[in-house]
Amino acid sequence: GENVEQHPSTLSVQEGDSAVIKCTYSDSASNYFPWYKQELGKRPQLIIDIRSNVGEKKDQRIAVTLNKTAKHFSLHITETQPEDSAVYFCAASSGGSNYKLTFGKGTLLTVNP
Amino acid sequence: NAGVTQTPKFRVLKTGQSMTLLCAQDMNHEYMYWYRQDPGMGLRLIHYSVGEGTTAKGEVPDGYNVSRLKKQNFLLGLESAAPSQTSVYFCASSDGGTLGDTQYFGPGTRLTVL
Repeated sequence: GENVEQHPSTLSVQEGDSAVIKCTYSDSASNYFPWYKQELGKRPQLIIDIRSNVGEKKDQRIAVTLNKTAKHFSLHITETQPEDSAVYFCAASSGGSNYKLTFGKGTLLTVNP
Repeated sequence: NAGVTQTPKFRVLKTGQSMTLLCAQDMNHEYMYWYRQDPGMGLRLIHYSVGEGTTAKGEVPDGYNVSRLKKQNFLLGLESAAPSQTSVYFCASSDGGTLGDTQYFGPGTRLTVL
């Protein structure tokens, strides 16, 4: 089955700096890669996703890049703010479908004021 | 729309007791999922359903059963709870289809098994 590795497990940055979280996946058939943000005590919520026919996608301060050849994708957050502090999960579709996801173990991002 | 709701929010069980967690969605989604979240382990898929009357095993199905008798509801059962099942359980749903992959999560159920 699909295996998703996520690094780093914790990341601390100063407000205004950029943050980068990286994930690798094992199944070359995976074609859908969402990122979820989970604030403390809350539910995970989708923040951005990318499909295999696209190399990069941006939404304001958030961007995701995908390298299908190397089987890795990354989340980039620019101009970080304290409210960006949360756990971020990457995921990859598995089993040849887009509806079944395998999640990474998460990255705890702390943005220090 | 309420989105995805879960009941109960918290529960404490003794080893060997049984319980059912209820997930309901009002978005007419085809697909529904049960995950468990443990510290440092991310979200792991327990069971999922691709439509009313269907269920399938995920990554960690042992000790759990599910049913989807109605499209809007997905039930997760623990027949004989064990301390290893102490976790936060999240239900999710998605529309399916080419661009309907987004999974919407419920608020979670925190279960402690003593």
